[in-house]
Amino acid sequence: RKEVEQDPGPFNVPEGATVAFNCTYSNSASQSFFWYRQDCRKEPKLLMSVYSSGNEDGRFTAQLNRASQYISLLIRDSKLSDSATYLCVVNDDRAGSYQLTFGKGTKLSVIP
Amino acid sequence: GAVVSQHPSWVICKSGTSVKIECRSLDFQATTMFWYRQFPKQSLMLMATSNEGSKATYEQGVEKDKFLINHASLTLSTLTVTSAHPEDSSFYICSAYTSGGDTQYFGPGTRLTVL
Repeated sequence: RKEVEQDPGPFNVPEGATVAFNCTYSNSASQSFFWYRQDCRKEPKLLMSVYSSGNEDGRFTAQLNRASQYISLLIRDSKLSDSATYLCVVNDDRAGSYQLTFGKGTKLSVIP
Repeated sequence: GAVVSQHPSWVICKSGTSVKIECRSLDFQATTMFWYRQFPKQSLMLMATSNEGSKATYEQGVEKDKFLINHASLTLSTLTVTSAHPEDSSFYICSAYTSGGDTQYFGPGTRLTVL
C-alpha cells in the first residue's frame, strides 16, 4: 500500500523557535512533493512544493531525499500564526491523473 | 490563484436522507475533480476521481452507489451522499485540477453531520 507517513506531533514550541518536520513516502515512483498547511476545520492550502535541490520560501525550507524517500520542512523563527497541521503530500501520478496522497499531518502549536 | 467553491459549507440531516454537495471551479476549467473525505484527526482520503463527461473512478472501499458523483461540465462536479447514516458524518473536500497544471486547488470543504 502506498503511504505517506509523518510524526503526528503535537509539536509545542515557543515563538521564535526553529522546528523541523519529517515525512517518508513508500512509492519510489512518486513524481512530485508538497507541504500543505491545514487550519482547524479548513481545507488544506499549499505551503510549498519540494524540489530535489531543496528550496526556501522566507522562513520555510523544504528538502527532498529521493534515495531515502524522505521529505523535510524546516520553519525558522516560528510565529503564532504558524500554528496549524502540516501535511506532507505526494503526487503518485497514477497514469497521469495527478492524484495526491496525503500524510496524516503533524500538528504544530506555537506558544507565546 | 484559482478559486474553488463548495456548497453548502455545512449541512445537518436526518439518517436516511440524501445530501448533495456542489463543487465549482470559479475561474478556470477543471478537467479533473477529486473528492476527499476527512475524519477527525485523520488524513484526507481520496474517495473518487472525476473527469468531465466520464464516469468517476472510485477508490477501493468507496461505494459508488452510495456516493454518486456527477461531473457534467468543466466547472461543476457534484457528490450526492445517498441514504446518509451517522457514520457518513465527515468533512468532504473537493479539489480541481486542470490538465497541464501543477497542483490541485481545494474547495473550502463541506461538513456533514448525520443525526
